[in-house]
Amino acid sequence: IAGITQAPTSQILAAGRRMTLRCTQDMRHNAMYWYRQDLGLGLRLIHYSNTAGTTGKGEVPDGYSVSRANTDDFPLTLASAVPSQTSVYFCASSGGEANEQFFGPGTRLTVL
Amino acid sequence: QQQVKQSPQSLIVQKGGISIINCAYENTAFDYFPWYQQFPGKGPALLIAIRPDVSEKKEGRFTISFNKSAKQFSLHIMDSQPGDSATYFCAASMENSGAGSYQLTFGKGTKLSVIP
Repeated sequence: IAGITQAPTSQILAAGRRMTLRCTQDMRHNAMYWYRQDLGLGLRLIHYSNTAGTTGKGEVPDGYSVSRANTDDFPLTLASAVPSQTSVYFCASSGGEANEQFFGPGTRLTVL
Repeated sequence: QQQVKQSPQSLIVQKGGISIINCAYENTAFDYFPWYQQFPGKGPALLIAIRPDVSEKKEGRFTISFNKSAKQFSLHIMDSQPGDSATYFCAASMENSGAGSYQLTFGKGTKLSVIP
C-alpha cells in the first residue's frame, strides 16, 4: 500500500507547454488537494475536491485546472506553463472522521 | 491576507534544548490546528494537532499550547535531537462548507536545526 503516489518526480518544461501532474491515492479518501510549495511562502492550496465529480478553487488557482473522474485520481493540469509556476507540487488526501491530510512525495517542476 | 503567521523563520537549538515555534491566526472559524513536519525532499507529515476546546496537548516530546483568546498556538519540542532537524509548519483549518473536506491554511514554515 503506497498511500499517495505522484508522477513525475521532477520535470523541466519549456514555457507554453502543457503539463499534467498525476496523483493517485489508495486510501479511498473522499477529499483530495493540490498545493504548491515555494521557499518562504509555505504551502498554498491550488484546487481541491470534496468527492469524485466535484472540484473547487483554492488560494492560487489561476493557470491550473483539475478533474476528479474517480475516487483515486486527481490530476493537475497546467494548460500553458509559465516560469512563475516553477515550484514543488504536493497532492494530499483526507477522509473519514479525521481532518488529517496525507501528503504525497511531491513533484518538482521547473518551467524555463 | 495571511491568515496564519508563523515565527521564527529559522531556529537553531542545541541538542537537549527546548525548541519553540509560534503561530497566530486571524479567522475565528478555524477549528483544527495541526503541526506538520517536513524533511528535505519529502512531503509534509502530520506531527500533532489540537482542537480549540483544549489548551494543551502532549505527545511524547512534542506539546501544543493553545490560547484561544489570543488566537495563538505554539509547538514545543522538549529534549530536541538532531533528528528533529526539519521544517515545521503550523496550519489551521475548518470544514469546507460541511462537505467533509478540510482546507488547510499554512504558516510559512520554520526551519529547525538541532546542533550536537
